[in-house]
Amino acid sequence: KAGVTQTPRYLIKTRGQQVTLSCSPISGHRSVSWYQQTPGQGLQFLFEYFSETQRNKGNFPGRFSGRQFSNSRSEMNVSTLELGDSALYLCASGRGTSGNQETQYFGPGTRLLVL
Amino acid sequence: AQSVTQLGSHVSVSEGALVLLRCNYSSSVPPYLFWYVQYPNQGLQLLLKYTSAATLVKGINGFEAEFKKSETSFHLTKPSAHMSDAAEYFCAVSVNSNDYKLSFGAGTTVTVRA
Repeated sequence: KAGVTQTPRYLIKTRGQQVTLSCSPISGHRSVSWYQQTPGQGLQFLFEYFSETQRNKGNFPGRFSGRQFSNSRSEMNVSTLELGDSALYLCASGRGTSGNQETQYFGPGTRLLVL
Repeated sequence: AQSVTQLGSHVSVSEGALVLLRCNYSSSVPPYLFWYVQYPNQGLQLLLKYTSAATLVKGINGFEAEFKKSETSFHLTKPSAHMSDAAEYFCAVSVNSNDYKLSFGAGTTVTVRA
């Protein structure tokens, strides 16, 4: 069974640009969550999608947005990039139906560098 | 709001020695607790999770953790460290039953000395 895949793995952008990251969950999983990991702030929850609907959202500015498609693949978009957006962006997939005790599986992440 | 605190950002152990990583949580309701490991340039891998079935939880790679409600702790242990255990370890908590959000601790980096 294939794991969670994220593309691209590495990305370099300049301030003011926008970026789109993609996450393909494990087959059969309908929940996709996104996290930002930085040395200063650690791992922070961005948002979670289930069946194309955002179910939960973290405390990030509106520049951070996401969506989920009917095949459960998810994208997150960051507009007007800032230096502080440089981070490892992780997505996690789960069945999304068993509550918060359910195991979530993480992808390898996309490392974004903003210059 | 729920949160976790990991005591010690760095832990150094000798190969074959006990690994002990500390995690304390704060939650007004019974939590679900998780330990994840992250190897360099990789995502997070679940080691084990507590979901109220048993207070002593066994995970992969010889790790286990004990949930102690009276101490609000969920410390991770491994009796004998191996070089391959060198990684960063994260404790995480989830509280709301329909909420898939995980709140992570700051992480503990483990180095293993030969």
